[in-house]
Amino acid sequence: NAGVTQTPKFRILKIGQSMTLQCTQDMNHNYMYWYRQDPGMGLKLIYYSVGAGITDKGEVPNGYNVSRSTTEDFPLRLELAAPSQTSVYFCASSLSGEKLFFGSGTQLSVL
Amino acid sequence: AQRVTQPEKLLSVFKGAPVELKCNYSYSGSPELFWYVQYSRQRLQLLLRHISRESIKGFTADLNKGETSFHLKKPFAQEEDSAMYYCALSGGNQFYFGTGTSLTVIP
Repeated sequence: NAGVTQTPKFRILKIGQSMTLQCTQDMNHNYMYWYRQDPGMGLKLIYYSVGAGITDKGEVPNGYNVSRSTTEDFPLRLELAAPSQTSVYFCASSLSGEKLFFGSGTQLSVL
Repeated sequence: AQRVTQPEKLLSVFKGAPVELKCNYSYSGSPELFWYVQYSRQRLQLLLRHISRESIKGFTADLNKGETSFHLKKPFAQEEDSAMYYCALSGGNQFYFGTGTSLTVIP
């Protein structure tokens, strides 16, 4: 049972670089989410999707983009990385907006 | 505006002592409330949700709509309860999380 899989686990970026954080789930869940976790700040919602082809902004979407071309995948794109985007990123999925299943996280440093 | 507040960042209790992790929320509709837990080197996972009114690993949480609270309680803490606990609110297809409470159970 793979569940929610995130890659990579760790990444260091230089300021201005771009990258995509990958997230895939094999539970046929409709809902998928991207969160960032900063020390002492809890989890903040970046983007979410309620189904393929549908995405919506969360609390902190600036500097990020997402797409949802399939039910399984929900990649998060960082354009022009900035030090403020140094964080731990979590992807999560849910069948119908109830119980969340989380990935193991991606630790990103922007230097 | 929707908000989840966990006033304690750190909480330490002795093994066998009662533990209560506080959570207050604000939401204009009828939210669903959850507690998620992250044990060391493990993923965030659901501990319990108010709608199921169940006890998981000895923990219970009662939704108090008058006080807008959803405190997590356990009568006798165990060492394996040491973890990070997050209170969360679900509404409008979104989940809102508190800042978390790190619980340490002292042997």
